[in-house]
Amino acid sequence: QVQLQQWGAGLLKPSETLSLDCAVYDGSFSGHSWTWIRQTPGKGLECIGEINPSGSPNYNPSLKSRLTISLDTSKNQFSLRLSSVTAADTGVYYCARGGGRLPTGTSWYYLYYVNIWAIGTTVTVSS
Amino acid sequence: EIVMTQSPATLSVSPGERATLSCRASQSVSSNLAWYQQKPGQAPRLLIFGASTRATGIPARFSGSGSATEFTLTISSLQSEDFALYYCQQYDVWPRTFGRGTKVEIK
Repeated sequence: QVQLQQWGAGLLKPSETLSLDCAVYDGSFSGHSWTWIRQTPGKGLECIGEINPSGSPNYNPSLKSRLTISLDTSKNQFSLRLSSVTAADTGVYYCARGGGRLPTGTSWYYLYYVNIWAIGTTVTVSS
Repeated sequence: EIVMTQSPATLSVSPGERATLSCRASQSVSSNLAWYQQKPGQAPRLLIFGASTRATGIPARFSGSGSATEFTLTISSLQSEDFALYYCQQYDVWPRTFGRGTKVEIK
């Protein structure tokens, strides 16, 4: 049974950097995409960014200038860094796993629905 | 970005009755549409992907249909554990986007 375990600071001051990490246990790391999703009162569920082992990360355009998502395949971990946070970044942050991939001859077609979610980290930005 | 619109916002249903939830995309997403269930204090759970394929372990009373811009989630006979929030998500293009949800409550 695949499990995702995430950790990171839950209370930040404005202008600080949000740092979250997510470890993958008992599952294939290379065969899936990996996603960060947040849930806020203002915007509901929002895909922050995603990454798969085959290519570059995708960042939500509204966060792109502040966001870094990376993979560490040696540790089966992926991470989120969001700089210059404000109160609007307050919410629950989830790391999550995509649905797998299908061969397309010379490459892979990744399935980006989310089939495994971590329990989430509540992040509060307050002075 | 693709806007996902769910209706109704709240659905009041008696146990044992059928619930029909709608989701509309602002442009075609083919069949790249997923449905999730969320209960208070929990992460969402995948119910349906590919518009109509049930995820592992999801009861047969949950079914999905539709394509392009119009999608439906049907719960054929509501059980007590089905009263929750339901979200649709398109994963056809980046950024993947969710609807605002439909709350299924006990009538």
